[in-house]
Amino acid sequence: AQSVTQLGSHVSVSEGALVLLRCNYSSSVPPYLFWYVQYPNQGLQLLLKYTTGATLVKGINGFEAEFKKSETSFHLTKPSAHMSDAAEYFCDLMNRDDKIIFGKGTRLHILP
Amino acid sequence: EAQVTQNPRYLITVTGKKLTVTCSQNMNHEYMSWYRQDPGLGLRQIYYSMNVEVTDKGDVPEGYKVSRKEKRNFPLILESPSPNQTSLYFCASRPGRRTDTQYFGPGTRLTVL
Repeated sequence: AQSVTQLGSHVSVSEGALVLLRCNYSSSVPPYLFWYVQYPNQGLQLLLKYTTGATLVKGINGFEAEFKKSETSFHLTKPSAHMSDAAEYFCDLMNRDDKIIFGKGTRLHILP
Repeated sequence: EAQVTQNPRYLITVTGKKLTVTCSQNMNHEYMSWYRQDPGLGLRQIYYSMNVEVTDKGDVPEGYKVSRKEKRNFPLILESPSPNQTSLYFCASRPGRRTDTQYFGPGTRLTVL
């Protein structure tokens, strides 16, 4: 069965520090992977996605993620955290029968 | 403006009283989907639709119905709501291909007493 695991339901980083949010997946075929961000009381919006091609994917707001097939990972990073990055982040997987599987989410806290 | 709209945004109801949450998109998207979001569980897919008259179950379809009679609308129906269906519900749409981005509605917060 396919699954998405996000390590750490809460992550705290200092403003200006590196952000690393972890996502591991399980899939029998190469998946399509997405990262979404949810700000308080809002819907989700796409940060970035991996479909095929370049494994390092750049997204909005300075975020990027690298697809590593050997590690079945798609971790999200940002070199320098900003207070406005405080939100909940979701990794999700699209499989071949069009079902979408989300991770449980990671809430990012930015410390001043 | 391209958007996904949901109504109502907030709803408090009682056990067993049928309700419908509407979802509409103005982007001519083929694929539409319903999710519920619960603390600690993330988003779970309820139903999805690849196109008009084509629907399929997601991970948590029990207690829900959907229909797709028109491309733009994808209502979620709770025939006999129960308290365990208290949740935040999101509708989403995408153009069609699996690589396409999903666009999410603003959410409907449902409380079943």
